[in-house]
Amino acid sequence: SQQGEEDPQALSIQEGENATMNCSYKTSINNLQWYRQNSGRGLVHLILIRSNEREKHSGRLRVTLDTSKKSSSLLITASRAADTASYFCATDSSNTGKLIFGQGTTLQVKP
Amino acid sequence: GAVVSQHPSWVICKSGTSVKIECRSLDFQATTMFWYRQFPKQSLMLMATSNEGSKATYEQGVEKDKFLINHASLTLSTLTVTSAHPEDSSFYICSARLAGGPRTGELFFGEGSRLTVL
Repeated sequence: SQQGEEDPQALSIQEGENATMNCSYKTSINNLQWYRQNSGRGLVHLILIRSNEREKHSGRLRVTLDTSKKSSSLLITASRAADTASYFCATDSSNTGKLIFGQGTTLQVKP
Repeated sequence: GAVVSQHPSWVICKSGTSVKIECRSLDFQATTMFWYRQFPKQSLMLMATSNEGSKATYEQGVEKDKFLINHASLTLSTLTVTSAHPEDSSFYICSARLAGGPRTGELFFGEGSRLTVL
């Protein structure tokens, strides 16, 4: 079953702008992960944030986690056309690697 | 870095035939692998958890006799779609969980296998 709800479902921005995607989940988690998927391809792991962490950075990516609201956000700063892809959050409730994915956000960055 | 290879990357078959998809960890051992399916423009749905040397654990609603999973070694899990029908057409993706070492527990995804059943 799907745990995560993501919004927006689709996002279109100009190159250079920031993109923010949100993810909400229903049950308690051990960690939450964000992945990127180019059309028809596999998943690329972007970042993992543990339940006891509130914010994490990796390059142009910033992820926040609010366990009281059961939500997370992914911010991509200074977006590039190459960032065009679908982005998924995924929760791991048991630290076993069994991930439940959100519905995803399709990001289009226009050059 | 750790690489997970899926084969075939795409396959077209006739209705009623069976198709086997391999998920192989190339340079690491994975005691646990996961199989997902993804319909066009949708998210990934977990199908089953594949454990080396034991029976797979299937998610609710996934037919175990339809989707046979075999995890025969620490580097290979296979998914066989038996008596495939057009509604089985989908993108199947596996992930492998690194076992042992300082990065134990990390997940790596394959590139996916696109199945089209005519």
